[in-house]
Amino acid sequence: QQQVKQSPQSLIVQKGGIPIINCAYENTAFDYFPWYQQFPGKGPALLIAIRPDVSEKKEGRFTISFNKSAKQFSLHIMDSQPGDSATYFCAASALLSGSARQLTFGSGTQLTVLP
Amino acid sequence: GAGVSQTPSNKVTEKGKYVELRCDPISGHTALYWYRQSLGQGPEFLIYFQGTGAADDSGLPNDRFFAVRPEGSVSTLKIQRTERGDSAVYLCASSSAGGGYNEQFFGPGTRLTVL
Repeated sequence: QQQVKQSPQSLIVQKGGIPIINCAYENTAFDYFPWYQQFPGKGPALLIAIRPDVSEKKEGRFTISFNKSAKQFSLHIMDSQPGDSATYFCAASALLSGSARQLTFGSGTQLTVLP
Repeated sequence: GAGVSQTPSNKVTEKGKYVELRCDPISGHTALYWYRQSLGQGPEFLIYFQGTGAADDSGLPNDRFFAVRPEGSVSTLKIQRTERGDSAVYLCASSSAGGGYNEQFFGPGTRLTVL
């Protein structure tokens, strides 16, 4: 069961463009929504994260928009650069029994920023 | 300081063989996670350790998979009677605690190929 749906699967933009990646979730117990960036041969690295009590969060060129009622959230990359070319994963997390917390990932978006 | 390290980086084995994958978390991190990433997909949760005990092993696909963390630091993921469908990148992550919103730091992964 895919609990976090991510789109598009791939995205190509020109340098300076604003790629947007969208995610939707089903489980209302999710209370933490991070985005990860992954380069080939590397593990995912945390980019930015948001909690559902805010509708937007900005860190540098990266912005998360969050719509709790629609159960959707998106990543915007301002002034994109060729170095931003990577695979981006949205994720969602819920606190389970005890202290366990696991991440549920989307299927990923392969972003290519052309010079 | 050093990040999460995983060995080996690549492992090729034959169907039916036994393999062990090792994870060295960031020093001082009490929480350790294993994920499996199939080609073109996001990581999928396998198991979570808080200290030495497996706090949540709900993601292990079947009883051929087992993981240990005997001293609360290094962890080993063990796969018995490997099958071709086990081929994937196995990622390890660690965080400073399990229950909060603490960032999970990922290692580079072990690419397992079962022939």
